[in-house]
Amino acid sequence: EVQLVESGGGLVKPGGSLRLSCAASGFTFNTYSMHWVRQAPGKGLEWVSSINSLNTYMYYADSIKGRFTISRDNAKNSLYLQMNNLRVEDTGVYYCVRESGFDFWGQGTLVTVSS
Amino acid sequence: DIVMTQSPLSLPVTLGQPASISCRSSQSLVYSDGNIYLSWFHQRPGQSPRRLINKVSNRDSGVPDRFSGSGSGTDFTLKISRVEAEDVGVYYCMQATRTRRTFGQGTKVEIK
Repeated sequence: EVQLVESGGGLVKPGGSLRLSCAASGFTFNTYSMHWVRQAPGKGLEWVSSINSLNTYMYYADSIKGRFTISRDNAKNSLYLQMNNLRVEDTGVYYCVRESGFDFWGQGTLVTVSS
Repeated sequence: DIVMTQSPLSLPVTLGQPASISCRSSQSLVYSDGNIYLSWFHQRPGQSPRRLINKVSNRDSGVPDRFSGSGSGTDFTLKISRVEAEDVGVYYCMQATRTRRTFGQGTKVEIK
């Protein structure tokens, strides 16, 4: 059974940092590209970032470029999102999503940026 | 980036009646391999999104056959042949033709 379990969310002040993690299981992690998608409270879905299976290509939404860094550790079946210089507008639930057309999503982890 | 525009944004429906959601892209979604990477997702309150349809019209495993997807180029449609109570929630289209994925704004389906 495919499972994606996010962790690392929490309350942080503007300008602060957080590192999100996603533990993957039930599939061959090192053969799939992975994505982060976020959802602000009461709002729609926003693609944030993606990384290919070999950890060589990373892509970012303009809204977070230069502040967030996606990475992965295929030996640990894990995906990460390092978030720096956080803003109030970064508040939301962050989902880890498997490529193959976004067929599997994690349950999400809540990030709250507030003073 | 490709802009995805859904309509309507709110859709009150009667149980047992059909429903239809439109999704239009600002550019053609035909990829170099000839496929169109357009997916539909359903999100119930408090839950993660679930994919219903990929590549315009391919229903995912376990998705009831009352759901169907169609379209080409820049115009796509999700249809529910007979709405059931469990179909309430928000529906999103998403393009995966371009590396930077983009979603529609979402259509909230509720029972009248």
